[in-house]
Amino acid sequence: DAGVIQSPRHEVTEMGQEVTLRCKPISGHDYLFWYRQTMMRGLELLIYFNNNVPIDDSGMPEDRFSAKMPNASFSTLKIQPSEPRDSAVYFCASRPDRDEAFFGQGTRLTVV
Amino acid sequence: AQSVAQPEDQVKVAEGNPLTVKCTYSVSGNPYLFWYVQYPNRGLQFLLKYITGDNLVKGSYGFEAEFNKSQTSFHLKKPSALVSDSALYFCAVRDPLAGGSYIPTFGRGTSLIVHP
Repeated sequence: DAGVIQSPRHEVTEMGQEVTLRCKPISGHDYLFWYRQTMMRGLELLIYFNNNVPIDDSGMPEDRFSAKMPNASFSTLKIQPSEPRDSAVYFCASRPDRDEAFFGQGTRLTVV
Repeated sequence: AQSVAQPEDQVKVAEGNPLTVKCTYSVSGNPYLFWYVQYPNRGLQFLLKYITGDNLVKGSYGFEAEFNKSQTSFHLKKPSALVSDSALYFCAVRDPLAGGSYIPTFGRGTSLIVHP
């Protein structure tokens, strides 16, 4: 298995633009997580899905953030409109029912 | 509620010396504990976990961790550090009594610097 695949690896965009981050979890994993990592706040859980259903989005910072999982092999995290303070590394992770999570390489987002 | 603390932002050791990265936790029941490592520009990689059984858990790259229930600690150790061990290390805890979907709480991370 290729692991959790995220795209793009790097994204530079202008303030106000829409940004879409993509994730392909490991096949067979029931859970998918979106995290954000910054120096100031460390690793933050934004939202997670179980069997494609969003379970807890309390970590999503604002309504500008939205996430979808239309099927078991694909998820997106969208920011619209983007702001400079959204600059961070965004990680997707997946895991089987109760075991450890597997993380993607991350998407480094820079909003200028 | 579950929580985890990594009291040191940074740990520096000389290559060849033993290393310890500290982690303490708080849960209602018996914890599930994890260590992850993050190399520069990479995602977190699973190192080892404690669920039950022996208090000393062995993991990847020669790392091990000792579960100490009385001290509510799960320190990461390695007998002889390598420069290539320099990375960010995260401790995570999950409370099996918390219900829900067994979502772990991650620590803030400890930067390990191994100098030649």
